Amino acid sequence: GENVEQHPSTLSVQEGDSAVIKCTYSDSASNYFPWYKQELGKRPQLIIDIRSNVGEKKDQRIAVTLNKTAKHFSLHITETQPEDSAVYFCAARRGGGNKLTFGTGTQLKVEL
Amino acid sequence: DVKVTQSSRYLVKRTGEKVFLECVQDMDHENMFWYRQDPGLGLRLIYFSYDVKMKEKGDIPEGYSVSREKKERFSLILESASTNQTSMYLCASSEGSATNEKLFFGSGTQLSVL
Repeated sequence: GENVEQHPSTLSVQEGDSAVIKCTYSDSASNYFPWYKQELGKRPQLIIDIRSNVGEKKDQRIAVTLNKTAKHFSLHITETQPEDSAVYFCAARRGGGNKLTFGTGTQLKVEL
Repeated sequence: DVKVTQSSRYLVKRTGEKVFLECVQDMDHENMFWYRQDPGLGLRLIYFSYDVKMKEKGDIPEGYSVSREKKERFSLILESASTNQTSMYLCASSEGSATNEKLFFGSGTQLSVL
């Protein structure tokens, strides 16, 4: 089955800096890659996703890049703010299926 | 807004008890999922269902079963609870269309098995 590895497990940045979280996946048939954000004590929420026919997608300060050849994808957050502090999960889904496999999460801390 | 409601926020059970975790969604979603969340292990899929009475095993189904008798309700059953099933359990639902795969999560049930 699919295996998703996520790095780093913790990331601390200064407010205004950029943050990058990286994930690799094992199944070359995976074609959907979402990112979820979970604030402390709250439920995970989708922040951005990308499909395998696209190399990059942006939404304001958030962007995701996908390298199908290398089987890795990354989340980029620019101009970080304290409210970006949360746990971020990447995930991958094999084409034609319903099953999402999540990474182990990255605890992002944005310091003032 | 989609609402996914889990019946209990906190639950304490004894080893060997049968435990039911209930989840209800109000948006007529086709797909429903049960995940468990453990520190350092992320979200791991236990079971999912893409239709009434249909179910498929996820990555860690051992020790669990599920029931989906109605479209809006998906139940997770621990037949005989064990201490290693102490965890946060998250239910989720999704529309099931190829163009909208967004998962909507419930607020979670923190289960402690003593």
